[in-house]
Amino acid sequence: GQQVMQIPQYQHVQEGEDFTTYCNSSTTLSNIQWYKQRPGGHPVFLIQLVKSGEVKKQKRLTFQFGEAKKNSSLHITATQTTDVGTYFCAGSRNTDKLIFGTGTRLQVFP
Amino acid sequence: GAGVSQSPSNKVTEKGKDVELRCDPISGHTALYWYRQRLGQGLEFLIYFQGNSAPDKSGLPSDRFSAERTGESVSTLTIQRTQQEDSAVYLCASSYPGGLEQYFGPGTRLTVT
Repeated sequence: GQQVMQIPQYQHVQEGEDFTTYCNSSTTLSNIQWYKQRPGGHPVFLIQLVKSGEVKKQKRLTFQFGEAKKNSSLHITATQTTDVGTYFCAGSRNTDKLIFGTGTRLQVFP
Repeated sequence: GAGVSQSPSNKVTEKGKDVELRCDPISGHTALYWYRQRLGQGLEFLIYFQGNSAPDKSGLPSDRFSAERTGESVSTLTIQRTQQEDSAVYLCASSYPGGLEQYFGPGTRLTVT
């Protein structure tokens, strides 16, 4: 079945350092979404990417969808303690059903 | 407007008992999803309802798990004869059709003792 893997599983950074999480699907996706889950909270939608090679930015966050539409990345510039949480990618194949990635837990030390 | 709500927020039950978890989606959201999240793990898809179509039950881990949805509103996830491995947070999400963003509820933390 379809699998979506993320690396790294954990990342600890010093505040101000950059952070990147990578998402890889075993199959081609029609779109990919990113969610953030704060400790003790529920996932919150960040963004959706649809086009091959698409790049979107939200302030310090940069999202990219690979040319083959099988991988994606989220890059955070100059992390802040408010960035702490687990970041999930989630892909779909022409349906409303999302397959969530394994997640990357980010810890930011002040 | 109100977001997705779930009840109860916490449920402790004895092994072998049945439990019912409730989800109230955002009004107008035709799609509703149930996920399971074990401690420190990712989201495991359980079941998906879309309007009046037959639900996608492909993620239900065993026949002890079932879910119902009344029209395009409330959904109930039922776990029969609970086992300790059922302990997890059960998250409900809803969305408009078309693969748009999912709005998650706060979850129900289930503990089976």
